[in-house]
Amino acid sequence: DAGVIQSPRHEVTEMGQEVTLRCKPISGHDYLFWYRQTMMRGLELLIYFNNNVPIDDSGMPEDRFSAKMPNASFSTLKIQPSEPRDSAVYFCASSLGVSYNEQFFGPGTRLTVL
Amino acid sequence: DQQVKQNSPSLSVQEGRISILNCDYTNSMFDYFLWYKKYPAEGPTFLISISSIKDKNEDGRFTVFLNKSAKHLSLHIVPSQPGDSAVYFCAASATYSGAGSYQLTFGKGTKLSVIP
Repeated sequence: DAGVIQSPRHEVTEMGQEVTLRCKPISGHDYLFWYRQTMMRGLELLIYFNNNVPIDDSGMPEDRFSAKMPNASFSTLKIQPSEPRDSAVYFCASSLGVSYNEQFFGPGTRLTVL
Repeated sequence: DQQVKQNSPSLSVQEGRISILNCDYTNSMFDYFLWYKKYPAEGPTFLISISSIKDKNEDGRFTVFLNKSAKHLSLHIVPSQPGDSAVYFCAASATYSGAGSYQLTFGKGTKLSVIP
């Protein structure tokens, strides 16, 4: 099992540019989660999907952030336009939608916005 | 308002001794708790969990204790090993509080250093 795959692992961009982060969940998992980790706020849930449908996006900081899951094996998190305060590590996680199942995290994408 | 709190940002322990990591929560709807371990440049990995119907769960060197009345849980590692050096996150879920409530609320983490 390859686990959750995220790309790129590192992204450096300039303020105002569009950034797209990608995630491939574990095959068979029906929940997908996007998190952001910063020193100040720790690990925050941004949005999660069930069977490709967004369930709760209340953690998305503002309209500059959007997430899609066009199929069961792929999701994107897009930031447009990016700002320096978006610099963080972004994690994708997946799980089986059964009670008491833990989430499996990808290695993360470290985003730096200059 | 932080619903899951890990008040110790760091902890240093001698190899072979016990490590105790603490976590407090405020939301009484939380009914499932997990500990994750994170190494640098990697994603968090699941370590151990406990349901609110229990007060203790053990897995090898790792034991989690839950005190519902105090809204407190702790992770004990005995004996501690240098490979246990990592950041430990406490997480909580209100699994039965509503439809699709599988989201986790995380604490900010405690960095454990096990000194050889």
